[in-house]
Amino acid sequence: QQKVQQSPESLTVSEGAMASLNCTFSDRSSDNFRWYRQHSGKGLEVLVSIFSDGEKEEGSFTAHLNRASLHVFLHIREPQPSDSALYLCAVGEITGNTGKLIFGLGTTLQVQP
Amino acid sequence: EAAVTQSPRSKVAVTGGKVTLSCHQTNNHDYMYWYRQDTGHGLRLIHYSYVADSTEKGDIPDGYKASRPSQENFSLILELASLSQTAVYFCASRDSSAETLYFGSGTRLTVL
Repeated sequence: QQKVQQSPESLTVSEGAMASLNCTFSDRSSDNFRWYRQHSGKGLEVLVSIFSDGEKEEGSFTAHLNRASLHVFLHIREPQPSDSALYLCAVGEITGNTGKLIFGLGTTLQVQP
Repeated sequence: EAAVTQSPRSKVAVTGGKVTLSCHQTNNHDYMYWYRQDTGHGLRLIHYSYVADSTEKGDIPDGYKASRPSQENFSLILELASLSQTAVYFCASRDSSAETLYFGSGTRLTVL
């Protein structure tokens, strides 16, 4: 089964500095990837979905997919303290149309004022 | 945006008791999912459904049942709750023509 790992486990950045999160997966035949954000005690909010190699931008969030190297990155431009949250990488199931997602454990981002 | 509502928001149950978690979506989505979130395990899929009156096993179905009586409603049932089922449970929905899952706010279940 697809395995998804995220790094770093936690990250602290200053307000306005770029934040970069890493996600690695085990099967490069996957074709759909997404990043979710979860504020403490809240549900999951989808930030950006990407389905082909390259970059996809949604507001201050940019996903960068490189299936050859089994990486999908999330870059957060000029993060604010309100962006402090758990960031989850999710990879879609390869076969069928079940919509099943395999999640990483997440990166906890802290943005300091 | 998709609206997925879970109830209750939190629940305390006793070991061996029956627990039912409810999920309601208002966007006519075909697919619905139940995930659990635990420290150290991330989110894992328990059951899902792509049509009313039918459910499918996910990756960790043992100890759980699911029920989809209508397109809008999807329940997760713990017939005999155990300590190991203490977790946060998330429901999600998806349209069959799209890729994105929309999640509810979660139910925090504590089994004592």
